Amino acid sequence: AQSVTQLGSHVSVSEGALVLLRCNYSSSVPPYLFWYVQYPNQGLQLLLKYTSAATLVKGINGFEAEFKKSETSFHLTKPSAHMSDAAEYFCAVSRPTGNQFYFGTGTSLTVIP
Amino acid sequence: DTGVSQDPRHKITKRGQNVTFRCDPISEHNRLYWYRQTLGQGPEFLTYFQNEAQLEKSRLLSDRFSAERPKGSFSTLEIQRTEQGDSAMYLCASSPRLGSQETQYFGPGTRLLVL
Repeated sequence: AQSVTQLGSHVSVSEGALVLLRCNYSSSVPPYLFWYVQYPNQGLQLLLKYTSAATLVKGINGFEAEFKKSETSFHLTKPSAHMSDAAEYFCAVSRPTGNQFYFGTGTSLTVIP
Repeated sequence: DTGVSQDPRHKITKRGQNVTFRCDPISEHNRLYWYRQTLGQGPEFLTYFQNEAQLEKSRLLSDRFSAERPKGSFSTLEIQRTEQGDSAMYLCASSPRLGSQETQYFGPGTRLLVL
């Protein structure tokens, strides 16, 4: 079975500080992994995805994530937080032979001026 | 691409009433998904279509829920005899091709409140 765990339902960082949002997955086979962002009253927007190519994936808005099989992790990072990064972030996993996305419970990012 | 659209954006109804939501996917996207998102949770899969065929349904989709995609374009999700526990955001997503590595493009959602 696939599942995703996002550690920390709320993360606060100062503007200009490093953003680190954690995602760990469990999967019986190497999965595909996604990070989505959700702004208030909006749908989800893809930030980046890992599909078994390069383990370091670069996404939009300066975000990147690294797939670490040994740690079953896919943490999202951004070197310098901007006020506009404040949003809800969701990690999701899908199985190569499956059809569903399994989402984590989300991490709410607050950026402090 | 105009993106995935959903209608209505908000719906307030009384318990026991029926409601229907519409989703218009990105043009020529073959796959269409429905998710439910409750406060503080991530989206939960409900069902998906490949063209007009409904290929998979979650056990979350009780008998009161029905989804259709009659011509392989737009889709509707109907909830009969609504209950307060149905209050949630209902999200629709579409993707262009087969394959679980394909990005799903989400609509803005329909927020349902059952009184």
